[in-house]
Amino acid sequence: GAVVSQHPSRVICKSGTSVKIECRSLDFQATTMFWYRQFPKQSLMLMATSNEGSKATYEQGVEKDKFLINHASLTLSTLTVTSAHPEDSSFYICSARGGAEAEAFFGQGTRLTVV
Amino acid sequence: AQSVTQLGSHVSVSEGALVLLRCNYSSSVPPYLFWYVQYPNQGLQLLLKYTSAATLVKGINGFEAEFKKSETSFHLTKPSAHMSDAAEYFCAVSGIFGNEKLTFGTGTRLTIIP
Repeated sequence: GAVVSQHPSRVICKSGTSVKIECRSLDFQATTMFWYRQFPKQSLMLMATSNEGSKATYEQGVEKDKFLINHASLTLSTLTVTSAHPEDSSFYICSARGGAEAEAFFGQGTRLTVV
Repeated sequence: AQSVTQLGSHVSVSEGALVLLRCNYSSSVPPYLFWYVQYPNQGLQLLLKYTSAATLVKGINGFEAEFKKSETSFHLTKPSAHMSDAAEYFCAVSGIFGNEKLTFGTGTRLTIIP
C-alpha cells in the first residue's frame, strides 16, 4: 500500500510556542489530506480536510486560527498548532487519499506534549 | 450523512478462538467500508476494505469481513486469534468519491487471553 510519512513522531514544547507537524505522501499524489486528533482510548476526531491548493475545511468546534493547515503541494500538508497550551496535548494523525486506491492511508501519528 | 456503530468497546477472546468485532453503518449513499487496526502510539493500518465488488472481503493477517446490505453490517472476523491481534480496531465508512472523509466508529479494543 501507499506510504504516508508523518514527522515528528513525538514533540514536547513549552506553553505559548508553536509546533509544526508535517505529513507527506511518499509514493502517490494526495489530492485530499485529513487531520485527526485522538484522545487517550478514544476514536479519531476529524479536525479538518484539506485539498491541495485550497483552504482547509474545518470541522465544527475546531479553531482555524489555532490549528493552521497548509496543503501547498500534492505530497505535503502541514498542521501548525499555534500558541500551544497543555490542553492541546494529544495524538495527532494525518491521512491522505488520492491515486488509484480507495482507502485513506495514515501517518504514524505525532504525540504532542505541551508543558 | 454517514455514521458507524461498533458494538462492544472491549472484546476479549482466548488465543485460538474466533474473533468477531461488530460494525453497523448508516449511509445515504452507496458506501465504502473499511476496517483499520491501531497499535499503541501508532497510526492506523488498513486491514481490509469493501468497495462494492465482492461482499466477502479478505484482508491481512487472516481477517475477513462480509458486507451485508440488508443488515447494514460489516462485521470483522478471524477464525483463530493470535496474541499479536491485541490492538484497537476501527470500522469506518465513506462515500465512493476519492476526496471524501472517513467517518470512524468509536473503536473496539481486542484483548487476547493466553
